[in-house]
Amino acid sequence: DVKVTQSSRYLVKRTGEKVFLECVQDMDHENMFWYRQDPGLGLRLIYFSYDVKMKEKGDIPEGYSVSREKKERFSLILESASTNQTSMYLCASSMPEQHYGYTFGSGTRLTVV
Amino acid sequence: DAKTTQPPSMDCAEGRAANLPCNHSTISGNEYVYWYRQIHSQGPQYIIHGLKNNETNEMASLIITEDRKSSTLILPHATLRDTAVYYCIVSGAGSYQLTFGKGTKLSVIP
Repeated sequence: DVKVTQSSRYLVKRTGEKVFLECVQDMDHENMFWYRQDPGLGLRLIYFSYDVKMKEKGDIPEGYSVSREKKERFSLILESASTNQTSMYLCASSMPEQHYGYTFGSGTRLTVV
Repeated sequence: DAKTTQPPSMDCAEGRAANLPCNHSTISGNEYVYWYRQIHSQGPQYIIHGLKNNETNEMASLIITEDRKSSTLILPHATLRDTAVYYCIVSGAGSYQLTFGKGTKLSVIP
């Protein structure tokens, strides 16, 4: 069964910490995405990548960076975590121009205290 | 990408068909209609997509009006496990990203 795996289901970090959220897919997909989901706001795109070492800003990139050193792995980095980054983070992957191929991970619920 | 309008919530009796509407009046010729759903505490799951023809798969049917300004997702025999938020998304084939709105919260009632 094809999968997008997020490294942690729940994470608690302190304000100011550097936080890494890892995502790995086993489908050889070119595209990978990071979303955050908050009550009443739906899913919002943070960053996406359409190839190794390539990245594009989504709708809310401020306070985040990403890394895509290998095709299967896409990391989201919070350089200095803040309480307003407490959220559910969802990773997804897809083949290019085949939107029905979007596969999401189960999510990481991050709490910044 | 064109925007979509969905009702915030709907109820459906278990075993009956659930018909979820979506308006996308500004859709352009090369944009597809996609449906995803999100069951509580899980990531979204792809259901179905279409361009202008009606589509059916093992999960659902997608009916797109002739003018393509609206569509309906049909779950033919809703079960309690179909309780979820359903997202209708319109996006071009050349776009790298999908924009999720707030969706419709479907509650299947025993």
